[in-house]
Amino acid sequence: DGGITQSPKYLFRKEGQNVTLSCEQNLNHDAMYWYRQDPGQGLRLIYYSQIVNDFQKGDIAEGYSVSREKKESFPLTVTSAQKNPTAFYLCASSITPQGLGGYTFGSGTRLTVV
Amino acid sequence: KQEVTQIPAALSVPEGENLVLNCSFTDSAIYNLQWFRQDPGKGLTSLLLIQSSQREQTSGRLNASLDKSSGRSTLYIAASQPGDSATYLCAVMILTGGGNKLTFGTGTQLKVEL
Repeated sequence: DGGITQSPKYLFRKEGQNVTLSCEQNLNHDAMYWYRQDPGQGLRLIYYSQIVNDFQKGDIAEGYSVSREKKESFPLTVTSAQKNPTAFYLCASSITPQGLGGYTFGSGTRLTVV
Repeated sequence: KQEVTQIPAALSVPEGENLVLNCSFTDSAIYNLQWFRQDPGKGLTSLLLIQSSQREQTSGRLNASLDKSSGRSTLYIAASQPGDSATYLCAVMILTGGGNKLTFGTGTQLKVEL
């Protein structure tokens, strides 16, 4: 079955550590996205990529970095510069580079700072 | 700036009841609107996608309507079941010069009781 796989499901980070969240899709979608979800807030866009080797900052990119070396993969690194990284992170994809045609989401990664 | 509001934030109904969830948005120049379901600790599951030229979409017991001019969408759930218990999110797509932007509401948490 086609879909988006996020791993790990749970991740614990120590202060000052960088961690990388994985997102892989086998839908042959062009565009991929990373969102952050906090209790009581709507999803907020961190980064997005419309095509391979290209990505753009979203609304809350500070403290995060991404790469898009393959169409199927869009990993997110949470750096030590992100002061409040504890949240639920969601990866999504859309069939067109412009994000038209609806979004498909993965099952999420819950990141906790310990 | 597009703002998306979902009222009520939480709703509890007895099994078998028909119900309506509301979504309103401030900028009516949307490209499409998508309804999602989110179970606790899980990712988002797409329910219905309505293009701006459409008035409604149906899938099983779900019917979503769109009134662009008034900035409103409703999700109608017929004959509710305990398995419908989840948070329901709406999201609107605005076309921009750069990356197109999907803006989410904060959701309605639905509980269907036996």
